[in-house]
Amino acid sequence: DVKVTQSSRYLVKRTGEKVFLECVQDMDHENMFWYRQDPGLGLRLIYFSYDVKMKEKGDIPEGYSVSREKKERFSLILESASTNQTSMYLCASSQGPGPDYEQYFGPGTRLTVT
Amino acid sequence: QKEVEQNSGPLSVPEGAIASLNCTYSDRGSQSFFWYRQYSGKSPELIMFIYSNGDKEDGRFTAQLNKASQYVSLLIRDSQPSDSATYLCAVNMAAGNKLTFGGGTRVLVKP
Repeated sequence: DVKVTQSSRYLVKRTGEKVFLECVQDMDHENMFWYRQDPGLGLRLIYFSYDVKMKEKGDIPEGYSVSREKKERFSLILESASTNQTSMYLCASSQGPGPDYEQYFGPGTRLTVT
Repeated sequence: QKEVEQNSGPLSVPEGAIASLNCTYSDRGSQSFFWYRQYSGKSPELIMFIYSNGDKEDGRFTAQLNKASQYVSLLIRDSQPSDSATYLCAVNMAAGNKLTFGGGTRVLVKP
């Protein structure tokens, strides 16, 4: 079974803090993704990576950065958290490379920025 | 116009009926299409994918693709209360080499 784990289920941070969300997959997948999910807006892609050390901007990268130093780990960084970044964050991985593979999602991190 | 559009619902169907969900997309060059199901409080999981025009069946689910009209649909036959969930359409747009998700359609199957 593919397993995608995320570092926290719930997180509360203050405005201006630097926030790290970590994602680990155990299936040697090439691709990893970070999404945020908000009511009525569906899943929106923040960043993705089709290879180690590689990263590409998704649809809403502003205010975020990522790091992928190892194949199994993909980190999302909020440089200076703001209240409009309060959301559910979902990490996913897929076999890859490229988008035409089933994505396996982690359980999500619900981030609240106060 | 959103790149991938779905009716948000809720789509209410009686148990045993057919649920019909539609998804339209803006990029005519899109090549591959996916349907994910997401139960409340859970993460999405893949139900089906389709690449070619026409129908693709998997158990009680049928995906239908019409590239000329730029829509993909999902039929759920013999709907069960356990099918109550949000269904997300995802499209691999020609530009961008990534999946773009629609907002999802919430389905309620009533016993």
